[in-house]
Amino acid sequence: QSALTQPASVSGSPGQSITISCTGTSSDIGRYKFVSWYQQHPGRVPKLIIYDVSERPSGDSNRFSGSKSGNTASLTISGLQAEDEADYYCSSYSSSRTYVFGSGTKVTVL
Amino acid sequence: QVQLQESGPGLVEPSGTLSLTCAVSGDSIISENRWSWVRQPPGKGLEWIGEIYHRGNTLYNPSLKSRVTISIDKSKNMFSLTLNSLTAADTAVYYCGGQSGWFVDYWGQGTLVTVSS
Repeated sequence: QSALTQPASVSGSPGQSITISCTGTSSDIGRYKFVSWYQQHPGRVPKLIIYDVSERPSGDSNRFSGSKSGNTASLTISGLQAEDEADYYCSSYSSSRTYVFGSGTKVTVL
Repeated sequence: QVQLQESGPGLVEPSGTLSLTCAVSGDSIISENRWSWVRQPPGKGLEWIGEIYHRGNTLYNPSLKSRVTISIDKSKNMFSLTLNSLTAADTAVYYCGGQSGWFVDYWGQGTLVTVSS
């Protein structure tokens, strides 16, 4: 199984909105509503920020939102803040009854 | 709150076998959660290794399936990872995780395993 495709890097200024894409196939993102997103600061443990395409864990920031269209999922960060500078990974369940992660996107706050 | 803690050797020889355990607290290993392993080579992305359900059902990454075993020890409320025929490419931080759905919502702190002689 191949990793889901993400842009290597995305940047934005404080207060702006940015969107990270995650492209898969009709066997994973295109087939299931089981897309999740993780935030990982350097040297830290990954943290779930979006699950089931667009759901947020209880109590988490509403500046993060997710969506899906066809074989591509997207994560939007609104009102970009310095603390959002991190690596972001998407993940999807697949028809082979396994999970696949994205290649990861480094978000830089200018 | 579910908490997970990995333990195991930090250095393993090439062609050897890696054995890691994950102690679960705050939940029973036989709950409806699934338990998984994810790894991350230094400076690289996340890779799903596999998962186990309390009934013992397992799913593995096809690229690792021939070398990996995940098991549950109900008496100790923990689950384990075994990976054999190690090479330098298996050097990574290994995370254990808990899944209440189709995602990993609980993560261990991770343990670095280096494959080297």
